[in-house]
Amino acid sequence: QQPVQSPQAVILREGEDAVINCSSSKALYSVHWYRQKHGEAPVFLMILLKGGEQKGHDKISASFNEKKQQSSLYLTASQLSYSGTYFCGTGSNFGNEKLTFGTGTRLTIIP
Amino acid sequence: NAGVTQTPKFQVLKTGQSMTLQCAQDMNHNSMYWYRQDPGMGLRLIYYSASEGTTDKGEVPNGYNVSRLNKREFSLRLESAAPSQTSVYFCASNMYRGKHGYTFGSGTRLTVV
Repeated sequence: QQPVQSPQAVILREGEDAVINCSSSKALYSVHWYRQKHGEAPVFLMILLKGGEQKGHDKISASFNEKKQQSSLYLTASQLSYSGTYFCGTGSNFGNEKLTFGTGTRLTIIP
Repeated sequence: NAGVTQTPKFQVLKTGQSMTLQCAQDMNHNSMYWYRQDPGMGLRLIYYSASEGTTDKGEVPNGYNVSRLNKREFSLRLESAAPSQTSVYFCASNMYRGKHGYTFGSGTRLTVV
């Protein structure tokens, strides 16, 4: 079963912050985050593993709550280049990174 | 480094025709995957290969077959194309043992008429 992402779409002005949530009904070992621009392939942003710390660099970070089977992606001081569709991908087993992807969150940044 | 290379980029098939989508990676990755992407449905796993010599079904395998030819190459075959298989197909790869992100190919846009 696919993880549920929320919101489905969000429009922000440049400089504003955004949070994208990913929730699974299954126990998780890992959560991946990807960004896809229109007509292009998804690009890996970061991975969070069970028992690991919150990850991030620069203005994009993420957290992973294993007990709640949820992850959140945080984008601060958004830039025009952050526009795109964000997908979470969840994995349930160590050593088998067969991911189940959410349906995506479309983020639009306007000047 | 080319990364993950998919061919062709675009294809139009008639119902009932067959074709093979090719995928090759040059990053020495163990695991390879085929996903399809449809509007509003995200990426759904068709087949995957955890390592050379093994293949397993994903979420939506019906109507498809795969071959892991060697460590670099993983092909997807449609034996008898149907309009429901109109989609964008992505090949991806990563290192085994689950601590690495996927690298995706640029995709194949397939239309079945």
